[in-house]
Amino acid sequence: SYVLTQPPSVSVAPGQTATVTCGGNNIRSKNVHWYQQKTGQAPVLVVYNDSDRPSGIPERFSGSNSGNTATLTISRVEVGDEADYYCQVWDTSSDQYVFGTGTKVTVL
Amino acid sequence: QVQLVQSGAEVKKPGGSVKVSCKASGYPFSDSYIHWLRQAPGQGLAWMGWINPKSGDTKYVQKFQGRVTLTRDTSTDTAYMDLSSLKSDDTAVYFCARGSSHGHPSWGQGTLVTVSS
Repeated sequence: SYVLTQPPSVSVAPGQTATVTCGGNNIRSKNVHWYQQKTGQAPVLVVYNDSDRPSGIPERFSGSNSGNTATLTISRVEVGDEADYYCQVWDTSSDQYVFGTGTKVTVL
Repeated sequence: QVQLVQSGAEVKKPGGSVKVSCKASGYPFSDSYIHWLRQAPGQGLAWMGWINPKSGDTKYVQKFQGRVTLTRDTSTDTAYMDLSSLKSDDTAVYFCARGSSHGHPSWGQGTLVTVSS
């Protein structure tokens, strides 16, 4: 089935920009969704369809998708952004949702 | 507002079965698929399948085919996930989530299922 690869961890200082990548074969042809999951909580959708934000999600969260890599960018990082982040796509060949391996964002 | 409220934690023995409920409110229950996902301790998210509350149609990931059954009760706006032949590696937090054309905008709080002898 379709494989999505994410870096295990990303560290960033407060106020700086965090970049989380999600690699997949020709991922640009798919709609990518991103979730934030804080410890002990359910995931929260932060970006959908590559670059759209649900209501209530700060503009600091943005997404892009090109070639074999989708990217979640968190600008002006805050301590409260510390969490695990997962990308997700619908794989039409296996007819199922697939998640990336997850990236732990640590705010130093 | 949209809410999905799941049943409480369960402890089951290997070989047994578990049924987790997910009660929806704040939107027309039949209008959105309900998806089920799980997360083993310290691991990532895994999608298990969905149910169409309007028709009762279901879709399961092959890995769980034959062991998982998704049902719903439209009179109470509740979806259910039944997992049988439990093994220790079924120990996980199970989530229900509302489906949409743009991922899962709403999630239940999660239900911890522990499989242990």
